[in-house]
Amino acid sequence: AQSVTQLGSHVSVSEGALVLLRCNYSSSVPPYLFWYVQYPNQGLQLLLKYTTGATLVKGINGFEAEFKKSETSFHLTKPSAHMSDAAEYFCAVSGTGFQKLVFGTGTRLLVSP
Amino acid sequence: AAGVIQSPRHLIKEKRETATLKCYPIPRHDTVYWYQQGPGQDPQFLISFYEKMQSDKGSIPDRFSAQQFSDYHSELNMSSLELGDSALYFCASSSLLAGLRNTDTQYFGPGTRLTVL
Repeated sequence: AQSVTQLGSHVSVSEGALVLLRCNYSSSVPPYLFWYVQYPNQGLQLLLKYTTGATLVKGINGFEAEFKKSETSFHLTKPSAHMSDAAEYFCAVSGTGFQKLVFGTGTRLLVSP
Repeated sequence: AAGVIQSPRHLIKEKRETATLKCYPIPRHDTVYWYQQGPGQDPQFLISFYEKMQSDKGSIPDRFSAQQFSDYHSELNMSSLELGDSALYFCASSSLLAGLRNTDTQYFGPGTRLTVL
């Protein structure tokens, strides 16, 4: 069985500050890990993914995440927050890329001027 | 680039009615997934199809059924609707075809918002 835990249902940052959204996973097989972003009343957009290989993955909009097997973590970071980053962020895991995604409960990122 | 298309985008039904949601995957994608996202909840996997065959099943009620057609589009049929079925229903697609980039990634449609009154 697989699962992800997102620490913090809400994260507030100031514009220009570092963004850190935490995700820990549990998986009995090597995991595929994803971060999706959801803007209000919209669908899920892929930010980045880890499958195999390089543990530091870069995504769209300046986001990146590092896969740390020893810590079973896949935290999402962005050096400088922008107002347009305000959204709901979901971490997800699957056994392979072709299996169902298991999502975390989401973290709402709030960005203040 | 073409994306996943879902129709309708919004649907309002009464209790005990039926609803049909449609999903058109990205061209050349052969796998379709359905997810349900309740208000303030994370998306929950319902069912998936690969090459028109059911490939996996999640927490889908017996009142719901789905299929994938020869053109790879999929339909989610929901009967005896209940108030608790009100949610955003997402379809996602991916491909096992060799030669396509990002075959291990599910691309999501904009969702169908179902409201049951």
